Amino acid sequence: AQSVSQHNHHVILSEAASLELGCNYSYGGTVNLFWYVQYPGQHLQLLLKYFSGDPLVKGIKGFEAEFIKSKFSFNLRKPSVQWSDTAEYFCAVINQAGTALIFGKGTTLSVSS
Amino acid sequence: GAVVSQHPSRVICKSGTSVKIECRSLDFQATTMFWYRQFPKKSLMLMATSNEGSKATYEQGVEKDKFLINHASLTLSTLTVTSAHPEDSSFYICSARGGRNEQFFGPGTRLTVL
Repeated sequence: AQSVSQHNHHVILSEAASLELGCNYSYGGTVNLFWYVQYPGQHLQLLLKYFSGDPLVKGIKGFEAEFIKSKFSFNLRKPSVQWSDTAEYFCAVINQAGTALIFGKGTTLSVSS
Repeated sequence: GAVVSQHPSRVICKSGTSVKIECRSLDFQATTMFWYRQFPKKSLMLMATSNEGSKATYEQGVEKDKFLINHASLTLSTLTVTSAHPEDSSFYICSARGGRNEQFFGPGTRLTVL
């Protein structure tokens, strides 16, 4: 069965530090990949998505992610984090049937000012 | 952007009672909606896929007689937790599928069963 692994459970950074959150997926075929963010007390919001084309995807709020097919990875990056980036981040992949999202366990990002 | 609402946002009920949660797509039609359960410090677990006008598809391990799903219109799906027990206490989130497989999430419903 498909799965998504997020290796970092909790990341703590100071403002202006660079961020990279790891995401690996198990399916070897065509993949649609997503990063969602959940700010405290708010619902899930889409940060960025990859369907095809340029493997470097730019999202909202200065986030980007790179799809590396050979590594089955879709890591999320931001060059300089802000206190307001404190949130839960989820990587997700569309399942093989193309009908539903499979989520990773999430990474909690805490940014201190 | 596409907006999905859920009602109620929070509900507390006694053990043995049933609770209905509504999920609405406010500015678009969604033939497919999804119901997730989110445990503390855990990821979202897909419970079922709700298709308008047909029976829901449940994920393995999810009791369809306990979690009744109805998707009677293109903008409304309901999840009814029947005979709720304390172990059903959780955060339930719905999403509605828009174009290109993108899902728009509701704000979630916190269910507490006493």
